[in-house]
This record gives sequence, C-alpha cells and structure tokens, in this order.
Amino acid sequence: AQTVTQSQPEMSVQEAETVTLSCTYDTSESDYYLFWYKQPPSRQMILVIRQEAYKQQNATENRFSVNFQKAAKSFSLKISDSQLGDAAMYFCAYRSRGTSGSRLTFGEGTQLTVNP
Amino acid sequence: EPEVTQTPSHQVTQMGQEVILRCVPISNHLYFYWYRQILGQKVEFLVSFYNNEISEKSEIFDDQFSVERPDGSNFTLKIRSTKLEDSAMYFCASSASGVYQETQYFGPGTRLLVL
Repeated sequence: AQTVTQSQPEMSVQEAETVTLSCTYDTSESDYYLFWYKQPPSRQMILVIRQEAYKQQNATENRFSVNFQKAAKSFSLKISDSQLGDAAMYFCAYRSRGTSGSRLTFGEGTQLTVNP
Repeated sequence: EPEVTQTPSHQVTQMGQEVILRCVPISNHLYFYWYRQILGQKVEFLVSFYNNEISEKSEIFDDQFSVERPDGSNFTLKIRSTKLEDSAMYFCASSASGVYQETQYFGPGTRLLVL
C-alpha cells in the first residue's frame, strides 16, 4: 500500500516571501500521479497542482511549483510571492496511474500561516 | 466553471438514524468518489464508483454504507445506522474519462454530526 508523509504540521511565511512545503511518499509503482490540494477554513478541497511521475519536468501553476524527485520519492510544493489568501491547510496526495477510478491517498497536511 | 456540489452543507442526526448525503458531480464526469475527514485528521478514501457499480472501496466502507446513482445527475452516500464515530466532513469528488481521469475535483463537503 502507498503511504504519504508530510513531516511539517505547521509552517509560516511572511507575505511576499517564498515557502516550501515537504512531502514524501512510499510506493513500489513506477507510474503514478501526485497532487497538492489546498483546504482553506471553509474546508473545501481545492486542487493546486498535479505532477505525472513519468514527466521529468516539474509542474508549475503561476506562483506554485513543485520539486519532484522520483528517486528520493519526494514531492515538495514551493509557493512564491506568498499572499494572505494562501493561508490554508495543504495536503499532498498520491494516485496510482494503472487503474481507473483509483483512490487518492493523502498525507497528514501542513497548516500554512501567512503573516502580513 | 463547472463544479461539484453537495447537499446539505451541515447535518445533525441522532445515533442510529439513517442519513443520505447528496452530490451532483461535474456533468461530463464518469468516475465518482466519497472521502471523509474526521476533524483534525487526514482525508480518507471511502469508495469509488463507475458505470453504476463500485470500482473500489476501503476497509472503512462496511455494510452500513452504500452508494447509489439514482438518476443521471445525483450521486448519494447512505449511512444506514449512524454511529458517533461517523461524525466527520464527507467529500464527494468526480473525475473525467480519458487522459484527464486522474484529477479528482472535490465538492465543498457535508459536515455530519452524530449525537
């Protein structure tokens, strides 16, 4: 079974600064997807960014980018130019590629605080 | 932009009662999911559903749970006899077919409180 670990329960960053959230995972599969979801106080789960394991290029979405290290099974999220609206719980998630409708496996989450 | 919707947003029920949580997935999506999040804990997978049948379920999804797609738009989760430990946020998600099927889009959740 796959596991996802987020070792930082809480992180804080100054507005306009950059912060990196860590995620590691364990799998015996070679092909899979990785995701970062954001959960603001409303508790809705919002997709931030996704990465296909077969792609070597790191995904980017505006101020959000990832550092995907497949051999190390590491998938960190970098938020540049942090904004007050970025404050939320961030979850890393894993999904197998091989089977349709496969589950997402989530990490424990990192609570990000953005200080003005 | 299309989105997943869920009703009700909050539900309070007595232990032993049946509850039905409703979801309207994104209209052209074919894969549907339920997850739950107990307060302060990680999000846990319950079940996935495709082509009118369960494609995968977790160990949490025991006989007290059932899912149904009663019509072309709704997807429901029924908890037959609620327990105190069923208190959680329940999220519905959906994903498309083809190359985009791996990305699951979540609804806003139903907060269930069992007393």
